[in-house]
Amino acid sequence: AQTVTQSQPEMSVQEAETVTLSCTYDTSENNYYLFWYKQPPSRQMILVIRQEAYKQQNATENRFSVNFQKAAKSFSLKISDSQLGDTAMYFCAFMKARRGNEKLTFGTGTRLTIIP
Amino acid sequence: DGGITQSPKYLFRKEGQNVTLSCEQNLNHDAMYWYRQDPGQGLRLIYYSQIVNDFQKGDIAEGYSVSREKKESFPLTVTSAQKNPTAFYLCASSTRWTAPNEQFFGPGTRLTVL
Repeated sequence: AQTVTQSQPEMSVQEAETVTLSCTYDTSENNYYLFWYKQPPSRQMILVIRQEAYKQQNATENRFSVNFQKAAKSFSLKISDSQLGDTAMYFCAFMKARRGNEKLTFGTGTRLTIIP
Repeated sequence: DGGITQSPKYLFRKEGQNVTLSCEQNLNHDAMYWYRQDPGQGLRLIYYSQIVNDFQKGDIAEGYSVSREKKESFPLTVTSAQKNPTAFYLCASSTRWTAPNEQFFGPGTRLTVL
């Protein structure tokens, strides 16, 4: 079974600073996908960024980027120039890359607060 | 607008009663999922369905039941056998034909047992 670990239950950072959220996972699969989801106070889950394990290049979406270390099974999220709207719970998630097995395994989340 | 709707937003139930949570999507997605969210535990998979008239148990299916009679709908029934049903419930859907199969989430239903 796959497990996803987020070791930082809470973090806070000043507006405009950079923050990195950590995520590690355990799997015997070679092909898989990794995701970061954001859950703001509205509780709507929003996909932030995704990474395909077979791609060595780290994914980037505007101010959000990941540091994917496949050998270390690490998938951290970096938020640059943080904004008040980034305040949310952030969940790391894992999915096997197998047709018929598109289930997500989530970590326990990191509550991020951006301080004005 | 395409998306996923869940109703109601808040639901109250007396102990011993069954209750059904609604989930509808108009994204033409084949797969649908139900997750439960508790404080400090992230999201856990209850049931999922990849095609109409077929569904599989997730990690915490005990005390829950589902049906998938239409592609657009995947209702979840919380039965009286569920020992601790108070939680936030999220429905999601995804296509099966493009990878990665990003899951899109509904706004959720907060269930409280009185």
